[in-house]
Amino acid sequence: QSALTQPASVSGSPGQSISISCTGTRNDVGKYNHVSWYQRHPDKGPKLVLYEGKRRPSGISSRFSASKSGNTASLTISGVQSEDEADYYCCSYAGAGNYVCGSGTRVTVL
Amino acid sequence: QVQLVQSGSEVKMPGASVKVSCKASGSTSNSDTINWLRLAPGQGLEWMGWITSNTGKPTYAQGFAGRFVFSLDTSVRTTYLHINSLKSEDAAVYYCARIMDSAFDVWGQGTMVTVSS
Repeated sequence: QSALTQPASVSGSPGQSISISCTGTRNDVGKYNHVSWYQRHPDKGPKLVLYEGKRRPSGISSRFSASKSGNTASLTISGVQSEDEADYYCCSYAGAGNYVCGSGTRVTVL
Repeated sequence: QVQLVQSGSEVKMPGASVKVSCKASGSTSNSDTINWLRLAPGQGLEWMGWITSNTGKPTYAQGFAGRFVFSLDTSVRTTYLHINSLKSEDAAVYYCARIMDSAFDVWGQGTMVTVSS
């Protein structure tokens, strides 16, 4: 499978809302409600922030939300804060036990 | 609380082999499935495949069957990633991660593999 396409970078000022897109195909993002999002700070392992489209793990701020339209999923951070500055990756189930992940987006808080 | 702790960074020459370990602790289950993913410089996150804790059966993503081998030792709750015949393009940070509800909910801290002559 080809990697899911994400913008290389997104930036915003503290308090603004930012969105990251994750574009796949009708065989992965478009077909399954199993898109997950991960936050990765430098030199740390990724951290799950959203899964099954819109669900947040315990302890994840409600500022993180997700949506999907067709073959594109999106992560929105409402009221972005300095601690949100990190790399973000999306992954999707792609059928037959396979997964595909994204190219990654660097979020910068100005 | 499940934790995954990986082995330390490795520096290997092209053509060599490397073994990366991923030790689980906490409330693990025999049905847990451990996945391997990698993050190469300038590249995105790549899913490499998984191995089931109860059967030890590996599943490899396209492009990772052959030189990449997953194994496990249930007696020490450890999963291994073996990479044979290392190439320069194998240089990356390798992560193990548990899958739950079709998401990777627990991650190891990552193991950097450097391939250099």
